[in-house]
Amino acid sequence: GQNIDQPTEMTATEGAIVQINCTYQTSGFNGLFWYQQHAGEAPTFLSYNVLDGLEEKGRFSSFLSRSKGYSYLLLKELQMKDSASYLCAAETGANNLFFGTGTRLTVIP
Amino acid sequence: GAGVSQSPRYKVAKRGQDVALRCDPISGHVSLFWYQQALGQGPEFLTYFQNEAQLDKSGLPSDRFFAERPEGSVSTLKIQRTQQEDSAVYLCASSSRTGSNYGYTFGSGTRLTVV
Repeated sequence: GQNIDQPTEMTATEGAIVQINCTYQTSGFNGLFWYQQHAGEAPTFLSYNVLDGLEEKGRFSSFLSRSKGYSYLLLKELQMKDSASYLCAAETGANNLFFGTGTRLTVIP
Repeated sequence: GAGVSQSPRYKVAKRGQDVALRCDPISGHVSLFWYQQALGQGPEFLTYFQNEAQLDKSGLPSDRFFAERPEGSVSTLKIQRTQQEDSAVYLCASSSRTGSNYGYTFGSGTRLTVV
């Protein structure tokens, strides 16, 4: 079967760093996506990792280890507007995006 | 258009009614996907089009669900004889790269409530 695990909820302080972990088991794997979704809005693309290693993009970085079936999203210098759900999604071989349930991040002052 | 447009934004249907949800993708985008997102859950794949061809419909939960994209642009997801478990947000996404979700743009979704 297919499975993606990520924490349901996290809380972090404004200005801090937070790491959201994701482990996956899928039949077929092309790459790993992270999306941000504010309540009632569309998911917006954050990152896409195909190769092992760290991809840095401004305040957001994403890491992938294909051998371990593991990824994380790192958010630095947290801002209140970063409060949202963060969706980990594995691109399987059949043109599917298989999503986790999402991690709801709350940034507190 | 500038983004993926979905209509209606909200839909309330009585159990047993048929509904039609529309997705207007970014102009020129070849790939189009439909997802179902229940409250507090991640999106779940329903179906995939490349131009007008429906290449994968393995995620459609029952034969009450039907999707089409007759001219390779606008797509319609139809749900017949709606049931309460169909209540969810239905997301549409389009991409300019065939065979890949990279660069996907999602619409804001249609929130369907079946009463």
